[in-house]
Amino acid sequence: ETGVTQTPRHLVMGMTNKKSLKCEQHLGHNAMYWYKQSAKKPLELMFVYSLEERVENNSVPSRFSPECPNSSHLFLHLHTLQPEDSALYLCASSRPIRSDRGYDEQYFGPGTRLTVT
Amino acid sequence: KNEVEQSPQNLTAQEGEFITINCSYSVGISALHWLQQHPGGGIVSLFMLSSGKKKHGRLIATINIQEKHSSLHITASHPRDSAVYICAVRVNNDMRFGAGTRLTVKP
Repeated sequence: ETGVTQTPRHLVMGMTNKKSLKCEQHLGHNAMYWYKQSAKKPLELMFVYSLEERVENNSVPSRFSPECPNSSHLFLHLHTLQPEDSALYLCASSRPIRSDRGYDEQYFGPGTRLTVT
Repeated sequence: KNEVEQSPQNLTAQEGEFITINCSYSVGISALHWLQQHPGGGIVSLFMLSSGKKKHGRLIATINIQEKHSSLHITASHPRDSAVYICAVRVNNDMRFGAGTRLTVKP
């Protein structure tokens, strides 16, 4: 148990559906991250929030929309996804990002396994 | 060519063996992470390094900044160490990941 929870753990959705992934951390962290892990590919960093502001957006398609309403919660809103978006989506949190240190040690959630049909 | 290369891709060992997993990178970094991913997807952060060596229980991680190389060692390996080990490097405000090394430790 890392102190980072994700729901749902599994999600199957059609290409026309709208769904949201939720991440919650109980560690008092101020930075949160969304990662994507596709089959047979390395992890990819999607979004970074620090102190509830988005600080990184790695050319992610607009069908993925993150939201960070407070430092404990992070959402990933999904709409009109494609089958190639099927992957494991991982959330992580850390202490605040500092300009002299970058990202700190991250604590990962268990992930949401998404299947787009 | 991936900026972060891990070797080997797959590794099978007998319980008790000493394990080494290597990571080489081609970019300037501010830190390097070693992660452990268990079947089912959960990831645990093992180490964060910017220089030298760190030890935690049976795990040892080293980094040579000049050679752009890091190693993760597992002493007295155990079947519960079976997992995918991922090397990740911080490049400014980005993270780059290796493809992972799948370790299987047989009893």
